[in-house]
Amino acid sequence: ILNVEQSPQSLHVQEGDSTNFTCSFPSSNFYALHWYRWETAKSPEALFVMTLNGDEKKKGRISATLNTREGYSYLYIKGSQPEDSATYLCASPGYSTLTFGKGTMLLVSP
Amino acid sequence: DTEVTQTPKHLVMGMTNKKSLKCEQHMGHRAMYWYKQKAKKPPELMFVYSYEKLSINESVPSRFSPECPNSSLLNLHLHALQPEDSALYLCASSLLAGVPNEQFFGPGTRLTVL
Repeated sequence: ILNVEQSPQSLHVQEGDSTNFTCSFPSSNFYALHWYRWETAKSPEALFVMTLNGDEKKKGRISATLNTREGYSYLYIKGSQPEDSATYLCASPGYSTLTFGKGTMLLVSP
Repeated sequence: DTEVTQTPKHLVMGMTNKKSLKCEQHMGHRAMYWYKQKAKKPPELMFVYSYEKLSINESVPSRFSPECPNSSLLNLHLHALQPEDSALYLCASSLLAGVPNEQFFGPGTRLTVL
């Protein structure tokens, strides 16, 4: 069983602020790192699947980086909007299963 | 259609009841998953089906019985559950089994066992 840790546990920012969260995972036997966004009462939605060390992916105002050697990934949100309020989950390896972190709950106030 | 649907949305059952949760996807995905999520904890994998065959059972008690009748449907049969089994049950699918494949999640079934 792998230990996937996320920090901070929760975050409250004002509209327009930029923010970032961290996901740390065991660096040995790495396969992939997933980021999901989960809004209340909705399905978790995949944001990124990252596999290569040094990978950087972007979707609109959200981007993520990956360091497999040291076992961490950062998720950045530029100019947060109230609709970004959600729990952001990362999930990582074994070969055919995902182990999820506990998530970072983001609240963006207007 | 890029949606995974789950029914029912909410379910309340007694410890002696038998009920089933249903999950459906029409994206041509050949891997389907059941997760259990308790409050303030991350989703925990229960079962993985790959090409309609059970490939992973994460030591789940036999009171949970999965079934994959075809490539689009996944059921979870429930019998003699305990109150501690109350949780959100999430279904997911991916093109193939394997971690690099993005998983698509349904909205979940909120189960309460009395």
